[in-house]
Amino acid sequence: GENVEQHPSTLSVQEGDSAVIKCTYSDSASNYFPWYKQELGKRPQLIIDIRSNVGEKKDQRIAVTLNKTAKHFSLHITETQPEDSAVYFCAASILTGGGNKLTFGTGTQLKVEL
Amino acid sequence: GAVVSQHPSRVICKSGTSVKIECRSLDFQATTMFWYRQFPKKSLMLMATSNEGSKATYEQGVEKDKFLINHASLTLSTLTVTSAHPEDSSFYICSARGDRFETEAFFGQGTRLTVV
Repeated sequence: GENVEQHPSTLSVQEGDSAVIKCTYSDSASNYFPWYKQELGKRPQLIIDIRSNVGEKKDQRIAVTLNKTAKHFSLHITETQPEDSAVYFCAASILTGGGNKLTFGTGTQLKVEL
Repeated sequence: GAVVSQHPSRVICKSGTSVKIECRSLDFQATTMFWYRQFPKKSLMLMATSNEGSKATYEQGVEKDKFLINHASLTLSTLTVTSAHPEDSSFYICSARGDRFETEAFFGQGTRLTVV
């Protein structure tokens, strides 16, 4: 089955700096890679996703890059703000008509310090 | 987006009893629902995938007789933890996916189960 590794497990940055979280996956058939943000005690929320036919996607301060050959993808947050502090999970999936089973990475605790 | 409601948010039960957790999609038909278990400061571990009207598919290492999953309708899936033990104490969270949303899976708010 799919295996997703995520690094780092914790990340501390100063407000305004950039944060980068990296993930690798094992199954070359995976073609959908979402990123979720989970604040303490709350449910995970999708913040951005990318499909395998695209190398990069950007949404305001958040961007995701994908390298299919190397089987890794990264989340980039620019101009970090205190409200970006949360746990971020990457995930990988094979999109099919009957399901979308997500395999999650181990999570990154991001702390944005004032 | 779409709304997935999970109930209860917290439950405390005695060892040996069973607990049922409900996951409802409020404004869309959920063809597929996923049940996860999350340990403190850990990732989401997929337990099983359920499709409406069919038996759930369990991940390796998850006891199907212990964690009963029912997906009887397009808006409701239930997870029953049978004969609960303290080691079953955890955060259980569901997510739902429907035909309206090709890729995104929406999460419930989770259930904190404590077995005493």
